[in-house]
Amino acid sequence: GAVVSQHPSWVICKSGTSVKIECRSLDFQATTMFWYRQFPKQSLMLMATSNEGSKATYEQGVEKDKFLINHASLTLSTLTVTSAHPEDSSFYICSASAQMNTEAFFGQGTRLTVV
Amino acid sequence: QQQVKQSPQSLIVQKGGISIINCAYENTAFDYFPWYQQFPGKGPALLIAIRPDVSEKKEGRFTISFNKSAKQFSLHIMDSQPGDSATYFCAASIIDDKIIFGKGTRLHILP
Repeated sequence: GAVVSQHPSWVICKSGTSVKIECRSLDFQATTMFWYRQFPKQSLMLMATSNEGSKATYEQGVEKDKFLINHASLTLSTLTVTSAHPEDSSFYICSASAQMNTEAFFGQGTRLTVV
Repeated sequence: QQQVKQSPQSLIVQKGGISIINCAYENTAFDYFPWYQQFPGKGPALLIAIRPDVSEKKEGRFTISFNKSAKQFSLHIMDSQPGDSATYFCAASIIDDKIIFGKGTRLHILP
């Protein structure tokens, strides 16, 4: 299957700082990328959907000013957690698909710990 | 109506046995039903998927059974192995819309 690379795999940051997570589709052009958040022993919670060249669509309850998503190219989307706080500590996962309703490929996830 | 209900929450199966995970949905517009496998600290990986025009799909030891009238689908893992121990998520999606995940099933295969 296609490869989606997420970087970094883990990051520790101080409260109040911002953290950027990258999601790259390595061997296909991803018109749509998704960002999820997953708490321990829970399911994936969709945070936002981003389409290349347009603004991301955020799910209800997700602060768009806190979780900045940029999808500047067909192979790269970034999630920036701004002014991070300990409650933002979680496992963040991206996925990418060439089209909606086709197979979505997931990155390996990023473990964010805010101290 | 957008929910996908998954059961059981956790499952313990003896090595060599059959693991069965069930999911149900309400939205009849869903037309793509994937199953994902997730190991601790890793992102989910697509295991097998089915569309509603097919009642069963088999890939190796993994089989999806789909019952359109009952709005249910299930994953069967034959000859379950310790390496199959992971969390499994069923999901559903419709054209031009997001994937909806079930809550997951933590599967443990006893050696």
